Amino acid sequence: GQQVMQIPQYQHVQEGEDFTTYCNSSTTLSNIQWYKQRPGGHPVFLIQLVKSGEVKKQKRLTFQFGEAKKNSSLHITATQTTDVGTYFCAGLTGGGADGLTFGKGTHLIIQP
Amino acid sequence: DGGITQSPKYLFRKEGQNVTLSCEQNLNHDAMYWYRQDPGQGLRLIYYSQIVNDFQKGDIAEGYSVSREKKESFPLTVTSAQKNPTAFYLCATSRGASRETQYFGPGTRLLVL
Repeated sequence: GQQVMQIPQYQHVQEGEDFTTYCNSSTTLSNIQWYKQRPGGHPVFLIQLVKSGEVKKQKRLTFQFGEAKKNSSLHITATQTTDVGTYFCAGLTGGGADGLTFGKGTHLIIQP
Repeated sequence: DGGITQSPKYLFRKEGQNVTLSCEQNLNHDAMYWYRQDPGQGLRLIYYSQIVNDFQKGDIAEGYSVSREKKESFPLTVTSAQKNPTAFYLCATSRGASRETQYFGPGTRLLVL
């Protein structure tokens, strides 16, 4: 079945440093979604990418979808303490009949 | 999110006991999902439903059962056959097919005594 791998599992950064998490799928994706889960909370939708090579920005967050639609990345510039949490990618294959396949997430820990 | 409620917030289960987790939504979304999250892990799909009176197994359906008698409700029963039920259970909805954004409820933490 479809697998979505996400790295790194944990990332410690100093406040103000940049952060990147990477997502790779074993199969071509029709779209990829990114979610953020704060400690003790539930996942909250951030963005969806659909087109090959698509790049979207939300303030300090930059999301990319690979040309082959098998990989994606989330980059945060100049991290702040409010960025703490776990970032999940979730991929959907073309059929769409099943639910999203989530990566295991990257836990972002920020040291002030 | 505000339109999805899950109860209870914490649930304790004794060995051999079935328990039911509630998920209610007022978003008028067609699709509903149940995920399991273990500490430090991602989300694994248990069951999903795209329409009333119909549901499909996800990746880890063994030991769980669901029903979808109403559009607003998608309860999950954790049966005694689920040998390791301690986890954080998340209900989610989407407007239509699963390619749409999923909205998550606040979750239920299940602990086995």
